Amino acid sequence: NAGVTQTPKFRILKIGQSMTLQCTQDMNHNYMYWYRQDPGMGLKLIYYSVGAGITDKGEVPNGYNVSRSTTEDFPLRLELAAPSQTSVYFCASSGLGAGGTYEQYFGPGTRLTVT
Amino acid sequence: DAKTTQPPSMDCAEGRAANLPCNHSTISGNEYVYWYRQIHSQGPQYIIHGLKNNETNEMASLIITEDRKSSTLILPHATLRDTAVYYCIVIIETSGSRLTFGEGTQLTVNP
Repeated sequence: NAGVTQTPKFRILKIGQSMTLQCTQDMNHNYMYWYRQDPGMGLKLIYYSVGAGITDKGEVPNGYNVSRSTTEDFPLRLELAAPSQTSVYFCASSGLGAGGTYEQYFGPGTRLTVT
Repeated sequence: DAKTTQPPSMDCAEGRAANLPCNHSTISGNEYVYWYRQIHSQGPQYIIHGLKNNETNEMASLIITEDRKSSTLILPHATLRDTAVYYCIVIIETSGSRLTFGEGTQLTVNP
């Protein structure tokens, strides 16, 4: 299994541009998450999904949109990029594991700079 | 979810045990203690979790006090590759639980 994959790895955007961060998992997990991490800080939840067709806001959803049309994919959309969205973005997924637990598996991250 | 308190940084000599403390004095009866770590620039990695009993796996041991108000993550023989930020997180164990990451503890393993 590849686990959780994210593309692109790096991106530089100009203010006002739009882009979609891709996230795919091959573990058949129902639950998927998007976090952002600013330098020297912990991760903050942007959006999450409990299954295909269902999404909900996390702690810092403003400026972002998500969709979940399949179990595998959970793209994050930035419509009008702002310098405050410069961050590292992590996608994660979780599902019922062999031990009956729900630990989250994280992707490698997308490093986004908005200038 | 209960709030956690961790020291901002710790050092450990290579080959020694690293003991990382976490206070969670407001934890409720149905909340679990989870530990994740984040090696520089990588996504966080699950380590271990527990409810009230001590737990051990191939990566670490988790010691939870009897009153459940604090816990300690133990890396029995720390290596340089264990240098990372370690996060203690308390959550209700349900499917789709959302993790709240604090500042964590920066563990530096020295040769």
